[in-house]
Amino acid sequence: GAGVSQSPRYKVAKRGQDVALRCDPISGHVSLFWYQQALGQGPEFLTYFQNEAQLDKSGLPSDRFFAERPEGSVSTLKIQRTQQEDSAVYLCASSLTPFSGRTYNEQFFGPGTRLTVL
Amino acid sequence: RKEVEQDPGPFNVPEGATVAFNCTYSNSASQSFFWYRQDCRKEPKLLMSVYSSGNEDGRFTAQLNRASQYISLLIRDSKLSDSATYLCVVNDFGNEKLTFGTGTRLTIIP
Repeated sequence: GAGVSQSPRYKVAKRGQDVALRCDPISGHVSLFWYQQALGQGPEFLTYFQNEAQLDKSGLPSDRFFAERPEGSVSTLKIQRTQQEDSAVYLCASSLTPFSGRTYNEQFFGPGTRLTVL
Repeated sequence: RKEVEQDPGPFNVPEGATVAFNCTYSNSASQSFFWYRQDCRKEPKLLMSVYSSGNEDGRFTAQLNRASQYISLLIRDSKLSDSATYLCVVNDFGNEKLTFGTGTRLTIIP
């Protein structure tokens, strides 16, 4: 079946522009995550949704970052007034159900959106 | 101090050799541990979970030492296709998010 898809795959923005990154999770997956991966680093957590509820946004680096998942499926990560330090790959992941604490539900990652801010 | 620390490498290893990676984590409340593999310009993919009793999947063996907060991955009889970045990942109790190390870059040399 189809995996997690993200669009666009590449985005070049001028400093100060707003961008919107889209994630289509695997159908039926309840949990959705956004991660940011800078060059040469591991992914870093940004935010987490369970259905349409944003349960954790502790990783969002500033109030310029905003994420939503209004109908509990597709999610959008919006970055306002982009800065050069926002340049990174933005990864979306989904998992079937929330982590029960006993059974790990694998997070499946999309291919990412590579954002370059000039 | 980063929550999950790994030697970034690179490790350049001849084909057929055995290679081991180590990782330490700082949060004693971490409850689940994984190795993910990431190919160049691709997304991370789960390689294997890591259990206290140790676990093996073909040529790959993972070990967890909770007392020392240390995780290892051993690759035997390395193949060219094993060339990738290996990410050490932990999940903390009561928390959905994954915390990744910086990754260890492995290149298998023919």
